[in-house]
Amino acid sequence: QVQLVQSGAEVKKPGASVKVSCKVSGYTLTELSMHWVRQAPGKGLEWMGGFDPEDGETIYAQKFQGRVTMTEDTSTDTAYMELSSLRSEDTAVYYCATVGRLVTYPATAYYYMDVWGKGTTVTVSS
Amino acid sequence: DIQMTQSPSSLSASVGDRVTITCRASQSISSYLNWYQQKPGKAPKLLIYAASSLQSGVPSRFSGSGSGTDFTLTISSLQPEDFATYYCQQSYSTLWTFGQGTKLEIK
Repeated sequence: QVQLVQSGAEVKKPGASVKVSCKVSGYTLTELSMHWVRQAPGKGLEWMGGFDPEDGETIYAQKFQGRVTMTEDTSTDTAYMELSSLRSEDTAVYYCATVGRLVTYPATAYYYMDVWGKGTTVTVSS
Repeated sequence: DIQMTQSPSSLSASVGDRVTITCRASQSISSYLNWYQQKPGKAPKLLIYAASSLQSGVPSRFSGSGSGTDFTLTISSLQPEDFATYYCQQSYSTLWTFGQGTKLEIK
């Protein structure tokens, strides 16, 4: 059974970068696809990006293009999400989530986020 | 990006009620639609995937239906633990998007 353990809360100044980690246990990271979702205080869920198993590339939401980098360290089974040029609007809880897949005949694959980390609070304040 | 619109944004209901939440996509997404439940201070929890498949361990009072652009999440008989916020999410496009959420409150 997959478990995801995220790094602790961060406080950053505007303009800085933050790197959130998500350690996998129960599986190896190479067996999984990881995505990231954030939630600003009192707001809804916002998909940031993740690994697309269909083409083997990491896809980012257009809103975060150029500011976000998602990486993996397979030696430690840890995924990372780094967000740069932080502003106050980036204050949020950041979640990692693994992607499950349902394959139906004749080979249609449906993807969904089935296991979630508990979240990492990132506060951006001067 | 594909826009996902949920209705209503909030809903008051009583224990035992049958509740339906609607999600509409800005273009056809076939059955690439997932539903999540989120309680305050907690991570989202997957309820339904591929529009109508019940995630393991989720009570059978939850069901999903629809395809194309219109989808519904139904709770057949509300239980106290079901009061939460519900989100739909599409995975048709490589750029995934969520609905804005529906907050289900106790009447």
